[in-house]
Amino acid sequence: EDQVTQSPEALRLQEGESSSLNCSYTVSGLRGLFWYRQDPGKGPEFLFTLYSAGEEKEKERLKATLTKKESFLHITAPKPEDSATYLCAVQGAQGGSEKLVFGKGTKLTVNP
Amino acid sequence: DAGVTQSPTHLIKTRGQQVTLRCSPKSGHDTVSWYQQALGQGPQFIFQYYEEEERQRGNFPDRFSGHQFPNYSSELNVNALLLGDSALYLCASSFGRHYEQYFGPGTRLTVT
Repeated sequence: EDQVTQSPEALRLQEGESSSLNCSYTVSGLRGLFWYRQDPGKGPEFLFTLYSAGEEKEKERLKATLTKKESFLHITAPKPEDSATYLCAVQGAQGGSEKLVFGKGTKLTVNP
Repeated sequence: DAGVTQSPTHLIKTRGQQVTLRCSPKSGHDTVSWYQQALGQGPQFIFQYYEEEERQRGNFPDRFSGHQFPNYSSELNVNALLLGDSALYLCASSFGRHYEQYFGPGTRLTVT
């Protein structure tokens, strides 16, 4: 069964203090790994899709990377508006695996 | 470009009642997936609709059912509500079954 584990569960940073969030996964053939941002009481907002090991994608202060067993979301010089829960999800490549399997998320707080 | 919309925003029901939640996909999308998100957890896959048929189902009882209409919009029905059904219900749409899923704002269901 596909599984996703995110760490840490919560992370508190000072504004400008860079860090990384981890997403470890097990899947029977990876079709894609997805990162989402979720604000309290809202739906997840799509950030990135990664398809193969070695792939990297960037958006503003965020950079996502992928290996065969895990993905990292690097946050460079974060600002208070980056505070949110970051969710990682995988989609398997086998037939009948179109669903997204999510981790529990990392709650990021950036203090000014 | 209209994103995914869901209605209603909030709903309060009593145990044993039935509820219907609605979703309109992002323009150009033809696939709708439904997820349940309990507080502090990642979204859990309920089922996916494509070409007006349920294509994949997660570990949810038959009390959870759905429908997709010819215009690609979808409904989620839950019968015989339990207290444990209280959660944020998320609809996600995609173009085809294997691509990025974009989420709506969710419907907060409270069962008393």
